[in-house]
Amino acid sequence: DAGVTQSPTHLIKTRGQQVTLRCSPKSGHDTVSWYQQALGQGPQFIFQYYEEEERQRGNFPDRFSGHQFPNYSSELNVNALLLGDSALYLCASSGASGAYEQYFGPGTRLTVT
Amino acid sequence: SQKIEQNSEALNIQEGKTATLTCNYTNYSPAYLQWYRQDPGRGPVFLLLIRENEKEKRKERLKVTFDTTLKQSLFHITASQPADSATYLCAPPRDDKIIFGKGTRLHILP
Repeated sequence: DAGVTQSPTHLIKTRGQQVTLRCSPKSGHDTVSWYQQALGQGPQFIFQYYEEEERQRGNFPDRFSGHQFPNYSSELNVNALLLGDSALYLCASSGASGAYEQYFGPGTRLTVT
Repeated sequence: SQKIEQNSEALNIQEGKTATLTCNYTNYSPAYLQWYRQDPGRGPVFLLLIRENEKEKRKERLKVTFDTTLKQSLFHITASQPADSATYLCAPPRDDKIIFGKGTRLHILP
């Protein structure tokens, strides 16, 4: 049983560009959450998707958007990249309750230069 | 404002001793609280969930307490081992969102 997978593993982008990160949830999970983790900080909640809709959102600007597909996989898009967007982006999946035990993927390390 | 504070950025404990990590939250009352472990360069791994009506929860060498009056959770690792070295994150949810503290880096010294 595959756990949560994320792609790519690493990514280098230039300021002002756009990026798309991908996540496949653990088998049987239908809720996907995205987090941004800066060095030395805890993960910061970006948003959560359930039934292809954004169910909850953290304190992130509209440059951060997402999508969930019918197979429950998800994408995180970030437009107009800033240097401060450099971080580890984590995807987590969970059951329908959404807010309980979460299974995290290995993350995508995004570097903005 | 609502805050989550974990007692220290780093904690050094001698192998075999009990490590105790603290998580304090302010200005809200979560119905439950989770603890996660994170190794460098990897995603967090769920360890334990404790609900507001549970004072204590155990799993093998791990023990978590939840004091809703003090707004505090304690996380204990007994008989600590070097393999327990990692960052430990507490996560008391707010408005159904999992909100993480900064974490405590635990070093178990052989």
